[in-house]
Formats: sequence, C-alpha cells, structure tokens
Amino acid sequence: DTEVTQTPKHLVMGMTNKKSLKCEQHMGHRAMYWYKQKAKKPPELMFVYSYEKLSINESVPSRFSPECPNSSLLNLHLHALQPEDSALYLCASSQETGIFSNTIYFGEGSWLTVV
Amino acid sequence: AQSVAQPEDQVNVAEGNPLTVKCTYSVSGNPYLFWYVQYPNRGLQFLLKYITGDNLVKGSYGFEAEFNKSQTSFHLKKPSALVSDSALYFCAVRDRSYNTDKLIFGTGTRLQVFP
Repeated sequence: DTEVTQTPKHLVMGMTNKKSLKCEQHMGHRAMYWYKQKAKKPPELMFVYSYEKLSINESVPSRFSPECPNSSLLNLHLHALQPEDSALYLCASSQETGIFSNTIYFGEGSWLTVV
Repeated sequence: AQSVAQPEDQVNVAEGNPLTVKCTYSVSGNPYLFWYVQYPNRGLQFLLKYITGDNLVKGSYGFEAEFNKSQTSFHLKKPSALVSDSALYFCAVRDRSYNTDKLIFGTGTRLQVFP
C-alpha cells in the first residue's frame, strides 16, 4: 500500500481566512514533504519533515505554517494568503530522509484557490 | 548543480505504436533517477526509478526506462501506447547536496496518444 491521503481535495479561501490542508500516510514513513505545483509547471519543494521535526524550509513565506503532529500526519496551515498562492499542494512521504534511493510517494493533492 | 532536462513539451503518438519520452540529466556522481506520471487534475504517481545495476528498468503500467551513462539519458519507453497513457510525465533526479532531500524535476512532457 503506497497511499498518501490529502484533504480537502479543493479549497477556496479569502485572503483574510485561516485554513489548513491535511495529509496522512500509514506506510510507516518517517519523512514527509510539502510541494507546491503551479499549472503546467513541475512541483517545487516547500518543507521537509524528518522524524516529526522540520528539517528543511525552502524559504517559504511565513503565511504557510507546517505542522507534524505525529509520524502519520502532516498539516499545512494557511493564513493571509495571496491570490498568487493559488496552486496544487502536494503532500509526499518516503521511508527516511537522506537515503536518496528511496522513492517519494505523492498524494492526489489539494487544489487551493485564493480569492 | 544537479538537473534534468526534458527537451520535448509534447509527444504525440498513435495508439498501438511505441512511445519514447526523453530525459537527460546532469549530476555529479551516480544519479538516482525517477519517472512520475500526472493524470489531469491528479497528483503524481511513481512509475519507476534507476538506482544502480541493470540499465533497463521496468516499471508500472508496462513502462520501462533505459539508463545510458555515456549519453546521460534516462528515456521512458513503452512498446505499445494506449489512449489512457495520455498524461503529463516528469523525469526527476534526487538532489544529494548536503542538507537537502528533494526531487529536482524536469519541466514535464505532455504525452498525447491518439486513437
């Protein structure tokens, strides 16, 4: 089973709203990731969690706040977003960070529209 | 710096014909190469990877890829295309730089299979 589950599938939010994207995996993976993908572009890494600790932040604006409550869950809290933040947000996981042969498995993504 | 290039924005092929989606890489050291597929409005699905060993890698849905060190290429192939193979295909390389753990994606190739 190589499943990463993301909710919600679609989210529309105003620029003053606070919302969250949620991600769950039950593969026993200890590395979890958030990627952002704009239309017709490749995904870009935002954050990496390793053993529930934030290990990489790719200079993401503070209006995006990640959280890893436990080894199976990853959240992305959204606040005061801009319309240009509208994108597909992909959660992913792999067995561990730093083992470069490991496969990274992606979820179906959450489509975010900021109005 | 590690990178991959996908020289074709779009590849068109008739159903039943063989297909090739091209990818070249530029890395220092041995590359860890991946292919992902993205169906419309969906997340990324892992197809196959090359880590070491046999240059011909077999993956999901009848796809295979050939690693060619002298040409620094990792082309995705399928002997007989299906209309359902129509999707966006991404080649990626694992970035093995210090203190990072990300996939570096190519720009993507849209495969269109015509009946």
